[in-house]
Amino acid sequence: GESVGLHLPTLSVQEGDNSIINCAYSNSASDYFIWYKQESGKGPQFIIDIRSNMDKRQGQRVTVLLNKTVKHLSLQIAATQPGDSAVYFCAENGAGSYQLTFGKGTKLSVIP
Amino acid sequence: EAGVAQSPRYKIIEKRQSVAFWCNPISGHATLYWYQQILGQGPKLLIQFQNNGVVDDSQLPKDRFSAERLKGVDSTLKIQPAKLEDSAVYLCASSPPYGTNSGNTIYFGEGSWLTVV
Repeated sequence: GESVGLHLPTLSVQEGDNSIINCAYSNSASDYFIWYKQESGKGPQFIIDIRSNMDKRQGQRVTVLLNKTVKHLSLQIAATQPGDSAVYFCAENGAGSYQLTFGKGTKLSVIP
Repeated sequence: EAGVAQSPRYKIIEKRQSVAFWCNPISGHATLYWYQQILGQGPKLLIQFQNNGVVDDSQLPKDRFSAERLKGVDSTLKIQPAKLEDSAVYLCASSPPYGTNSGNTIYFGEGSWLTVV
């Protein structure tokens, strides 16, 4: 079936370095993508989103890139901080739908 | 703006017992969701409400799970009888009307952590 998945289950980065978390999706009808951050013991927290008519969107220290040709999504975190340590999920939904499909998540560990 | 509120945060029950979780969505959010998140996995949708009507409950195990949103605001999710494999975090989420400036972003509560022993 259609699914959203992540390439790397774990990622360790040095504090101050940039982090890149990748996600592959298989539903070509997906038109909206979201990155969530989930800290231990908490619910998923919205980070940034992007619509399919865009290929790049920037937030504060975060950038999401969308490559529709290869159905790939990435989250870039600049100057990674210890507070960025969490599990990151990409999620997608189709046109006009609120239903999100989540991948399994990537655990980001920041080394001080 | 207050976020999605859930209670209780933690619950431990024995198998075959029952449990109920409560959710209060963000004010003005017509759409409410219950997700189940098993440790190490992404959230999985159980049921979606639009106001007080069910939009999708195709993944809700209806032999033991039930949910309601009688007045279109608060919602409860019940499990009866519980099984060991129901141990998970139950996340409530809500979203604004489709087409608003917030798009179709879903906002999650902190979750209710269930352990079935």
